[in-house]
Amino acid sequence: AQSVTQLDSQVPVFEEAPVELRCNYSSSVSVYLFWYVQYPNQGLQLLLKYLSGSTLVESINGFEAEFNKSQTSFHLRKPSVHISDTAEYFCAVSEDNNNDMRFGAGTRLTVKP
Amino acid sequence: DTAVSQTPKYLVTQMGNDKSIKCEQNLGHDTMYWYKQDSKKFLKIMFSYNNKELIINETVPNRFSPKSPDKAHLNLHINSLELGDSAVYFCASSPRVRNSPLHFGNGTRLTVT
Repeated sequence: AQSVTQLDSQVPVFEEAPVELRCNYSSSVSVYLFWYVQYPNQGLQLLLKYLSGSTLVESINGFEAEFNKSQTSFHLRKPSVHISDTAEYFCAVSEDNNNDMRFGAGTRLTVKP
Repeated sequence: DTAVSQTPKYLVTQMGNDKSIKCEQNLGHDTMYWYKQDSKKFLKIMFSYNNKELIINETVPNRFSPKSPDKAHLNLHINSLELGDSAVYFCASSPRVRNSPLHFGNGTRLTVT
């Protein structure tokens, strides 16, 4: 079965600084990769996804992630963060042969003024 | 319009009691899930149903019993509640397509005293 590792449990950054949230996965088959964001007291919302094709995917609010098959990674980046980006971010992976989506432990991004 | 709705939002109860959490989705999805999020934000799948049929049943105590009266509803019943059951429980749904993202409800915060 697939698994996901988010290497940083907490990432504090200052406003307008760049940020990278790291995600590595393990699987023996083809995978689909996702980043979700969870704001306080809310459910998870899809931020972006990689299904196939271009390895660089973008969200509408300036985040991007790149699928790197050789390094089994799907790191999330943003060149300039805002206070409103403060949230918990989850990397997730599902395999081509099942409906089971597995989540990483989450990374708490805190953007400071 | 709420896509995935859970009730109640908060649930405080004593050890030994039996309680239920309800979930409904109006997205026309075939698959529904229950996830448990602990105090460290770790998100773990508990159950998955497809068209009222159980397809994922992780290692969960048999005090937890999901029930799906139709494909738009997946309820979670918990017997003999224990302190360790305190967590946020999320319902989610997705189409029966392997690369589809999940749509989450806003969660039910269960506190067992």
